[in-house]
Amino acid sequence: GIQVEQSPPDLILQEGANSTLRCNFSDSVNNLQWFHQNPWGQLINLFYIPSGTKQNGRLSATTVATERYSLLYISSSQTTDSGVYFCAVVAGNQFYFGTGTSLTVIP
Amino acid sequence: DTEVTQTPKHLVMGMTNKKSLKCEQHMGHRAMYWYKQKAKKPPELMFVYSYEKLSINESVPSRFSPECPNSSLLNLHLHALQPEDSALYLCASSHAQGNGELFFGEGSRLTVL
Repeated sequence: GIQVEQSPPDLILQEGANSTLRCNFSDSVNNLQWFHQNPWGQLINLFYIPSGTKQNGRLSATTVATERYSLLYISSSQTTDSGVYFCAVVAGNQFYFGTGTSLTVIP
Repeated sequence: DTEVTQTPKHLVMGMTNKKSLKCEQHMGHRAMYWYKQKAKKPPELMFVYSYEKLSINESVPSRFSPECPNSSLLNLHLHALQPEDSALYLCASSHAQGNGELFFGEGSRLTVL
């Protein structure tokens, strides 16, 4: 199956800082999603982004499918941004999850 | 509000108990999934139902038994579980298998004593 690696694995930020999370995948994909898993375990959809750039408030994402990576930008981070961020790609008819980035935002 | 609902949110059971996890979606999706997740690890696929038929079974032990009564409902029947089965169980749905955006429920946190 396809390999999906995320970096960094762990990240600690001061509130107000900006960050970039990366998702690399090993083969062509049909689609890509970013999720935020909050401390209570719920996976929240952030972006559905097979290619190009999207923005939603303080978050934005860019996928460059031809180079097999996607980036998630978080600006002016808040404590509520803490949690684990996963990317997931679609190849064939299956979803493959990345290894995750655990983000802690401290006040 | 999540459009995929799971019950119960928390479940504690002994190794001899029989219990069920339930999942419902009203988005008209034709693919539904069960995932198992351990702390800070990515979700691991257990089962996929496509158009109410079992499409993928990722070599899951028979003590986990899925059921899809109709296109909106997905159950996971649990029997004779082991303590290592304690985890967060997540239900998800998408337009079709591997097609469209994947939406998750809030999860059922299972503890096996």
